[in-house]
Amino acid sequence: QKEVEQDPGPLSVPEGAIVSLNCTYSNSAFQYFMWYRQYSRKGPELLMYTYSSGNKEDGRFTAQVDKSSKYISLFIRDSQPSDSATYLCAMSEGGNYQLIWGAGTKLIIKP
Amino acid sequence: DAGITQSPRHKVTETGTPVTLRCHQTENHRYMYWYRQDPGHGLRLIHYSYGVKDTDKGEVSDGYSVSRSKTEDFLLTLESATSSQTSVYFCAISDSVNYGYTFGSGTRLTVV
Repeated sequence: QKEVEQDPGPLSVPEGAIVSLNCTYSNSAFQYFMWYRQYSRKGPELLMYTYSSGNKEDGRFTAQVDKSSKYISLFIRDSQPSDSATYLCAMSEGGNYQLIWGAGTKLIIKP
Repeated sequence: DAGITQSPRHKVTETGTPVTLRCHQTENHRYMYWYRQDPGHGLRLIHYSYGVKDTDKGEVSDGYSVSRSKTEDFLLTLESATSSQTSVYFCAISDSVNYGYTFGSGTRLTVV
């Protein structure tokens, strides 16, 4: 079993819909949680970063961490075709521990 | 990508030949990383550096070596390329090992 699980998709939704992307993890020591967006043939770019539990909002994007359930989510409101990309979650225990990555979910927003 | 460049962007090489990929940063970040990305596996860490001449292995380091003689440059060498090393290679930089990685645009390597 991988430390971080992420449904590879693809997830296809109509423009304007609310999108929910999720990752589950097994290591209760994770404290740093990130979401990266990767367009085709590009490098990943940091979208959202959360330390410990709670929610964080940035424009149309909301990141949510539920440490009791070992579950993190990324919500995209009013989704746009330009949001079509692969979304990767990543997390870390802190200290000198490296990031652990999910395999990514491919999202397609249909006009 | 601002502050980090990878070269070459594409390369085709023959099995058994050595290959060196270069990562150059202008951000003066302490940490530099080499990842490979393959379908179904996501990003896997090959090697990373936490300072000049300070490097360590990641989860898929066999067949790869690295060097960092200057803060701004991190080289990845495939000592004797194999077809299993056909992949997209990404360099990343950060000030913290825990978050805030910035990635380059990647090198698409094909070993024939």
